[in-house]
Amino acid sequence: DIVMTQSPDSLAVSLGERATINCKSSQSVLYRSNNDNYLAWYQQKPGQPPKLLIYWASTRESGVPDRFSGSGSGTDFALTISSLQAEDVAVYYCQQYYSTPPTFGQGTRLEIK
Amino acid sequence: EVQLVESGGALVQPGGSLRLSCAASGFTFTNYWMHWVRQAPGKGLVWVSRINGDGSSTNYADSVKGRFTISRDNAKNTLYLQMNSLRAEDTAVYYCARAVRYGDYSYWGQGTLVTVSS
Repeated sequence: DIVMTQSPDSLAVSLGERATINCKSSQSVLYRSNNDNYLAWYQQKPGQPPKLLIYWASTRESGVPDRFSGSGSGTDFALTISSLQAEDVAVYYCQQYYSTPPTFGQGTRLEIK
Repeated sequence: EVQLVESGGALVQPGGSLRLSCAASGFTFTNYWMHWVRQAPGKGLVWVSRINGDGSSTNYADSVKGRFTISRDNAKNTLYLQMNSLRAEDTAVYYCARAVRYGDYSYWGQGTLVTVSS
């Protein structure tokens, strides 16, 4: 199974500042035939199901604010929130869908400093 | 509008059985793989199982293989998870989920809570 490791486990950022969450996979999730990284990012707020933010590592899901961006390739990825808003307080997960079983990172809790 | 509504969660004793359901609407159910993902209280997301559109292909996490069975009734637009020999570590919110493109989940239900305890 591909192991997904996020860092940090928790993060406190001031409103309006940049937040970056990292995700590392134990093997590459880049499918070379189409040059796509099979990597997604989710946001989960208390009592709610996860919400898809980013797929193919850097493509924003419809309706997701453009302050959210994804980057990286191969085994190293990042989710960046360019200007933190109060409503961004949540737990964030990365997920690989390159191979079965799909696996998630352990989650990063994002709070306001 | 795509909707996924889970039901069937309950308190069950260790060794017991439970069947979860996920009623789907707003899309052509037979066209999509469907998945179950669970989340233990205060913990992260763990994929459990998936089934293809006509029900002929299934996959399971090692932790549930041989105990859980995924199935679907395409006439009723409903996904199921039959859970047998339940253990305390199966305690979780169980979500059904659907991908749009490949394996990234655009649609999730609200989840149903399964508690395994004596």
